Amino acid sequence: DIVMTQSPLSLPVTLGQPASISCTSSQSLVHTDGDTYLNWFQQRPGQSPRRLFYKVSNRDSGVPDRFSGSGSGTDFTLTISRVEAEDVGVYYCMQGTHWPLTFGQGTRLEIK
Amino acid sequence: EVHLLESGGHLVQPGGCLRLSCAASGITFSNYAMSWVRQAPGKGLEWVSSISDSGGITYYADSVKGRFTTSRDNSKNTLVLQMNSLGLEDTAVYYCAKGGQLRDIDCWGQGTLVTVSS
Repeated sequence: DIVMTQSPLSLPVTLGQPASISCTSSQSLVHTDGDTYLNWFQQRPGQSPRRLFYKVSNRDSGVPDRFSGSGSGTDFTLTISRVEAEDVGVYYCMQGTHWPLTFGQGTRLEIK
Repeated sequence: EVHLLESGGHLVQPGGCLRLSCAASGITFSNYAMSWVRQAPGKGLEWVSSISDSGGITYYADSVKGRFTTSRDNSKNTLVLQMNSLGLEDTAVYYCAKGGQLRDIDCWGQGTLVTVSS
């Protein structure tokens, strides 16, 4: 199975400051069809997860443009340019290139 | 607007069985692959199973293979997870999720809690 490793696991951030979450896969996530199936999800406290990005950097509808997704191969990053209070929650990367689908452990973002 | 509503979560004894359902609305259900993802209390997300739009292809996590069965009724816009031989480790919130292709997950339901305990 593909292991997805996120860092850090806890991320205290000052409001208005940038934040970055790393996600590394144990194998390349480039599919034979040429796409890279790496998603990012946000789970706010008490809520269901919500997808933020698909195929590395494609932003879902309604996701603020202060969020960006980047990376290739085995190394991926979710970046928030200026953290706001509503960004508190747990962020997960997930790979869909290989079966079984696998998630990272989650990164808990909190406000300092 | 897509709406996914899970039901069937309950307290069940170890070794028991349970059937979860997910009712979809706001979409042409038969056009989309569907998945089940679970989250144990205070833990992260774990993919459980996925099924193709037609229902002809299914995938399962090793942890549930042979015990859980995913099916769908496209005429009723319903996804089903039949869970047998439940163990303590199956205690979790079970989410129904929609995807474009079989390997996609985009929209999630609100989840239903399954508790396995004696």
